[in-house]
Formats: sequence, structure tokens, C-alpha cells
Amino acid sequence: QKEVEQNSGPLSVPEGAIASLNCTYSDRGSQSFFWYRQYSGKSPELIMFIYSNGDKEDGRFTAQLNKASQYVSLLIRDSQPSDSATYLCAVNMRRALTFGSGTRLQVQP
Amino acid sequence: GAGVSQSPSNKVTEKGKDVELRCDPISGHTALYWYRQSLGQGLEFLIYFQGNSAPDKSGLPSDRFSAERTGGSVSTLTIQRTQQEDSAVYLCASSTGGGNEKLFFGSGTQLSVL
Repeated sequence: QKEVEQNSGPLSVPEGAIASLNCTYSDRGSQSFFWYRQYSGKSPELIMFIYSNGDKEDGRFTAQLNKASQYVSLLIRDSQPSDSATYLCAVNMRRALTFGSGTRLQVQP
Repeated sequence: GAGVSQSPSNKVTEKGKDVELRCDPISGHTALYWYRQSLGQGLEFLIYFQGNSAPDKSGLPSDRFSAERTGGSVSTLTIQRTQQEDSAVYLCASSTGGGNEKLFFGSGTQLSVL
């Protein structure tokens, strides 16, 4: 089992729809969870972080964390073509930040 | 500096040669990370420096890989006797440390081993 698992996609959604990206992790002791966005040929950039169970909202983005299920998700409301990118889930395990392999999101105009 | 700076941006080398990749983190950031990303893949952790603590080298794939961080700032990742499977983008990131993993990434070094 990978330490941080994501569906590779691509996840295709129409413009204006809600995109839902999911991530599971193996270390039950993990405390910090992050979502990074990576455009093709560019470096990852941090878009959301969450530490506590529940939802955290920032603009069109909502991060959701369920530590009991070892599950973290990212919702993007009113998806735009500019949201098309790979979204990387990252989890603070017992050592350095561990990344999933990413989910590629395509928002269709 | 304003951001994490990496050099060179591209490096082409022949199999068996040694290469050095440089990372200059954001001023004041105490934590520095190296990751590797192969085409279409996620980020593979290599090594992590935090302040004056011993680095976490648990991600280095072989003893051909090593890294140093001088004066708590600039870091150099060295790959000896490069192999074709070492071809990837090598990404450096820094953070304020102390358990804060909000990483700021450099633009990476694209390494191609022929």
C-alpha cells in the first residue's frame, strides 16, 4: 500500500461544476495535510492545508479531513478552465512531507 | 531572496559522470527539502534538513546520492556516477520549519542522463 494514495485521473468536469479530489493515507498518526496544485511544466504551489477534522473553506476551495477514515479531500466549486492542473495531496508523516502521485483535473469550457 | 532558487535549470550529462545541483532557499527558512519527480509521477522524497539537526536521508535511493547544507542556507545535491534512471526533475523546497510544512518550491533542475 502506498503511503499516500490518489486516483491518477484524469478527472474531467464541465466549467462551473464542483470538482472532488480524494486522498487516503496510511499513517494514522499523521497530523498535517496539504493540497498542492501543479501546472504542467511548473513546480507545485500550496493551495490549502488542514490540521483538524472537518471542513476548511478558502474561496472556491474546501478541504475536508476525516482522520478516523484516514481520508482527506479537496472540493473546487465553480470550476474554471484555469483550474486544470494536477493536484497533489501531501501528508506529514513521521518524517518529511510525503506526496501522493497526484490527480489530473481537466475542466472543460 | 524572494523565492527558492535552483541552478542549473537544465543539466545534460553522460552516464557515469558526477553532477551537482544547487538550491538557495528563501532567506530565513530553516527547513530545506529535496524531492525528485519523474515524468508524469508524484514527488519522491530524497532528503530533509531542519536547522542544525542531523538531516533525514531516508529517501536517498542509493549511496551515489548525497547532499550538504552549508551555513544553514545553500544546499547542494550531488549524484555520483549518474545512471539513466536518475533522469528526472529535482525539486528543492524550503519552509520556516518547526513543524510547518508549508513548502515553497524552486523551479527545479531538469536532469537528463544520456
